[in-house]
Amino acid sequence: QSALTQPASVSGSPGQSITISCTGTSSDVGSYNLVSWYQQHPGKAPKLIIYEVSKWPSGISNRFSGSKSGNTASLTISGLQAEDEADYYCCSGAGSGTWVFGGGTKLTVL
Amino acid sequence: EVQLVESGGGLVQPGGSLRLSCAASGFTLNTYWMHWVRQAPGKGLVWVSRFNSDGSSTTYADSVKGRFTISRDNAKNTLYLQMNNLRAEDTAVYYCVRTQNYNDRSGFYHWGQGTLVTVSS
Repeated sequence: QSALTQPASVSGSPGQSITISCTGTSSDVGSYNLVSWYQQHPGKAPKLIIYEVSKWPSGISNRFSGSKSGNTASLTISGLQAEDEADYYCCSGAGSGTWVFGGGTKLTVL
Repeated sequence: EVQLVESGGGLVQPGGSLRLSCAASGFTLNTYWMHWVRQAPGKGLVWVSRFNSDGSSTTYADSVKGRFTISRDNAKNTLYLQMNNLRAEDTAVYYCVRTQNYNDRSGFYHWGQGTLVTVSS
């Protein structure tokens, strides 16, 4: 149950697009279409923004999109806005009913 | 409206025990998969444990297996996390989490406000 690997930080200017990668193994990301992504603002509980690799929960903007290739999942945020500045976490099923999160990525909107 | 309210956190000495509670409202606990997720101060999210909807299965992260026990009281609509033999590295905010839909595939959608557990002498 090792944490998934995410870049510690990414940045972008308003209106631009950024992509956050999430690298796991063939035992988690590579084996299951159970990747989800969470946005967390300081002092707040996380918020689900993508589930099952690329699906949106109700009310989530389609500026957020998810994908997966092999053992790596990705979150793309297009049309970057100031309010997108937050920490982002990926999560994957890891078999036998267990789950594993990534270490988190701090997004800075310049 | 779905609400999850955690309680039971606090300061405990290494080797001690605590029981966290998560009072659920707005839905029936035994129809959804429930999880505990923790976050150490300034650190990332870590999955801790899961209770499936029909109550037949519980799973744990390796780091807590044998020390933590997840359970629920359907009559009280409350989820619990019994934490024994606590270590300094268990210090974290513990979140009670409900899946979006009636399965474990749909993501961790509803989160409580969290309860802080501090393990220190």
